[in-house]
Amino acid sequence: DIVMTQSPDSLAVSLGERATINCKSSRSILYSSNNKNYLAWYQQKPGQPPKLLIYWASTRESGVPDRFSGSGSGTDFTLTISSLQAEDVAVYYCQQYYSTLSITFGQGTRLEIK
Amino acid sequence: EVQLVESGGGLVQPGGSLRLSCAASGFTFSSYWMSWVRQAPGKGLEWVANIKEDGSEKFYVDSVKGRFTISRDNAKNSLYLQMNSLRAEDTAVYYCARGSSGVGYWGQGTLVTVSS
Repeated sequence: DIVMTQSPDSLAVSLGERATINCKSSRSILYSSNNKNYLAWYQQKPGQPPKLLIYWASTRESGVPDRFSGSGSGTDFTLTISSLQAEDVAVYYCQQYYSTLSITFGQGTRLEIK
Repeated sequence: EVQLVESGGGLVQPGGSLRLSCAASGFTFSSYWMSWVRQAPGKGLEWVANIKEDGSEKFYVDSVKGRFTISRDNAKNSLYLQMNSLRAEDTAVYYCARGSSGVGYWGQGTLVTVSS
């Protein structure tokens, strides 16, 4: 199985500042045939299901504010929130879907306001 | 509007069985892979199983292989998860999700509690 490891486990950032969450896969999730990275990012608030933010590592889901961006390739990926808003307090997960047989999530990163 | 509504959760004793259902609407159900994802209390997300559009392929996380069965009825726009030999560690909120990759639609979840 592909193991997804996020860092840090928790993060406190001041309002208006940049927040950066990292995700590392145990092996490459870049498909050479289509040059796509099979990685998604989700935001989850208490009592709610996850919300898709980013797919294909860097494609923003419709309706997601442009302060959210995804980057990276191969095994190392980053979710960046350019200017933290109060409503961004949540737990963030990365997910690899390179292998349909075994989809895995990172352990989650809790984002709080400093 | 896409809607996924789970049902069937509840309290069950260790070793018992439960069948979860997910009623889908607002999209062509038979055109999508479907998944179950669970979340233990206070823990992270764990993919449980997924099933191809026509039901011909099914995949499971190792911890549920041989105990859980995912199925679908495209005529009824419904997804199912038959859970047998339940263990305490299966206690979680179970979410129905459309697709497996970049999941944009989720149900609200149904809580399964395995306890004596």
